[in-house]
Amino acid sequence: EVQLAESGGGLVQPGGSLRLSCTASGFTFSSYWMSWVRQAPGKGLEWVASLNQDGSGKYYVDSVKGRFTISRDNAKNSLYLQMNSLRAEDTAIFYCATDVMGTWAYDSWGQGALVTVSS
Amino acid sequence: DIVMTQTPLSSPVTPGQPASISCRSSQSLVHSDGNTYLSWLQQRPGQPPRLLIYKISKRLSGVPDRFSGSGAGTDFTLKISRVEAEDVGVYYCMQATQFPLTFGGGTKVEI
Repeated sequence: EVQLAESGGGLVQPGGSLRLSCTASGFTFSSYWMSWVRQAPGKGLEWVASLNQDGSGKYYVDSVKGRFTISRDNAKNSLYLQMNSLRAEDTAIFYCATDVMGTWAYDSWGQGALVTVSS
Repeated sequence: DIVMTQTPLSSPVTPGQPASISCRSSQSLVHSDGNTYLSWLQQRPGQPPRLLIYKISKRLSGVPDRFSGSGAGTDFTLKISRVEAEDVGVYYCMQATQFPLTFGGGTKVEI
């Protein structure tokens, strides 16, 4: 069974930093693209970033470019999101997601980690 | 960026009756490989999203056959043939044809 578990969320002041982790199990982590998707309170879904299998290909939504960095450690079956210069508008639930069924869509999701940016 | 526009924003439904959600993209979602990477997700209250339909009309294993997807190019539709109480939630379309990946704004289905 595919499982994705996010951790590292919490309360941070504007301008601060936070690192999210996503630990994967139940599939060959190193064979799949991985992504982060966020959802602000009461709002819709927003794709944040994606990373290819070996970490050489990274894509970001414009609003986080230069502030967020997606990375992975295939030996640890883990995906990361380093978030710097956080803003109030970054407050959201951050989901780790992937496509392990060859759907070119997000067929597997974690439960999410809440990040709150507030003074 | 490809903008995904969903209508309606909200859809009051009666159990046993059909429901339909429209999704329109600002440009064609046909990929250079010939596939169209348009998917539909369901998000029940307090839950992460769940994939229902991918590549316009392919139902994920385990998804009830009352859910169906159709469309082409820039216009797509999700239909629920007979709404059940468990179908309450917000439905999103999403395109994965090109980066940045984008979602529709969501349609709330409520009984």
